[in-house]
Amino acid sequence: DTEVTQTPKHLVMGMTNKKSLKCEQHMGHRAMYWYKQKAKKPPELMFVYSYEKLSINESVPSRFSPECPNSSLLNLHLHALQPEDSALYLCASSQSLVTWAVHEQYFGPGTRLTVT
Amino acid sequence: TQLLEQSPQFLSIQEGENLTVYCNSSSVFSSLQWYRQEPGEGPVLLVTVVTGGEVKKLKRLTFQFGDARKDSSLHITAAQPGDTGLYLCAPVGGAGKSTFGDGTTLTVKP
Repeated sequence: DTEVTQTPKHLVMGMTNKKSLKCEQHMGHRAMYWYKQKAKKPPELMFVYSYEKLSINESVPSRFSPECPNSSLLNLHLHALQPEDSALYLCASSQSLVTWAVHEQYFGPGTRLTVT
Repeated sequence: TQLLEQSPQFLSIQEGENLTVYCNSSSVFSSLQWYRQEPGEGPVLLVTVVTGGEVKKLKRLTFQFGDARKDSSLHITAAQPGDTGLYLCAPVGGAGKSTFGDGTTLTVKP
């Protein structure tokens, strides 16, 4: 099973709402990632978790709050978002973050988020 | 941050034509990956190149890693509409962090 699943597929939320994006993988991967992607642009790294601990935060605004409850799950909690936060949010996982290993990232299909 | 430049940014061709996409940087990479992303989907890994000068083939796709490991190219022979998508290159290295190139949006018209 090389699948990364993400829910929901689409999400529309107002600027005062609180919502969460979910990501799940059962490949035994110990590194998980959140990316943000605007149309016709490459994914931009937001957060990286390694062994359930936050390893990288790319200076993401605090209105985005990641959580890794266990090695298979990754959440992204959203609160007080702005319309410019509308984008495709991609989750990915890889075997590990060890620097000497060439690791493949497996991506989920993404959540299309619209902030109104 | 390792800056990657991809060219061309957009490419629209007819079915059956050949094309080459480039990924260039001033930095040396331990290895580099190519991904394809179709509309509404996440990126899918096509290949990882590791050795300078390496050439890998995946059906009609040929990937090359530069001798100095600073650049890479993707050549598609006899493009088909199913090749349409966003092609991304990404270095592998550092603390597992990868930064994608700007991407090449390819449209193959039937």
